Amino acid sequence: DAKTTQPNSMESNEEEPVHLPCNHSTISGTDYIHWYRQLPSQGPEYVIHGLTSNVNNRMASLAIAEDRKSSTLILHRATLRDAAVYYCIFGGGANSKLTFGKGITLSVRP
Amino acid sequence: GAVVSQHPSWVICKSGTSVKIECRSLDFQATTMFWYRQFPKQSLMLMATSNEGSKATYEQGVEKDKFLINHASLTLSTLTVTSAHPEDSSFYICSARNGGSNQPQHFGDGTRLSIL
Repeated sequence: DAKTTQPNSMESNEEEPVHLPCNHSTISGTDYIHWYRQLPSQGPEYVIHGLTSNVNNRMASLAIAEDRKSSTLILHRATLRDAAVYYCIFGGGANSKLTFGKGITLSVRP
Repeated sequence: GAVVSQHPSWVICKSGTSVKIECRSLDFQATTMFWYRQFPKQSLMLMATSNEGSKATYEQGVEKDKFLINHASLTLSTLTVTSAHPEDSSFYICSARNGGSNQPQHFGDGTRLSIL
């Protein structure tokens, strides 16, 4: 199994940036790093993914360490709707499956 | 874009009943679909991976005769829970992907299954 390590939880204040760390020391050179988030009683939502270079989209930024053994998901301005469980996952290959860990629960204070 | 529709969103049925859950990719072709199960306050557990036109690959410990998966087209996969029992009650979630793991997976909203 492709395992990642994330803190159990994190708290943030509304409208402040949030940095969610993830360690993936066993990642291989062809594995992509994916981030998903899940609200209660809903399916996960794709957030962002990348291979080596930092990535930006309308939801977040993904900063990938040079050795690729860790990454950080950055929410530039947290809102109450960003409160969710965030999963960091990696996988590679044509038919590779994504194995979910426990994720990190983000709470956002108004 | 990249919408996955899962139906039904919830179902309650008697023990011994078989239940079918549908997963459709609405605006893209899903070469690979995945089925997950999630118990309360736990993470998603992958049950099986299916490629269009091929037999599904089940994870260890998942009974293939209990959880029948069909992926007959590039936009539809179904999961049938046969002879369901109360211990099968869970939140079932499908996801779809077009291409390899360099592509994102898009998830349905899940099906809450309750077996009485």
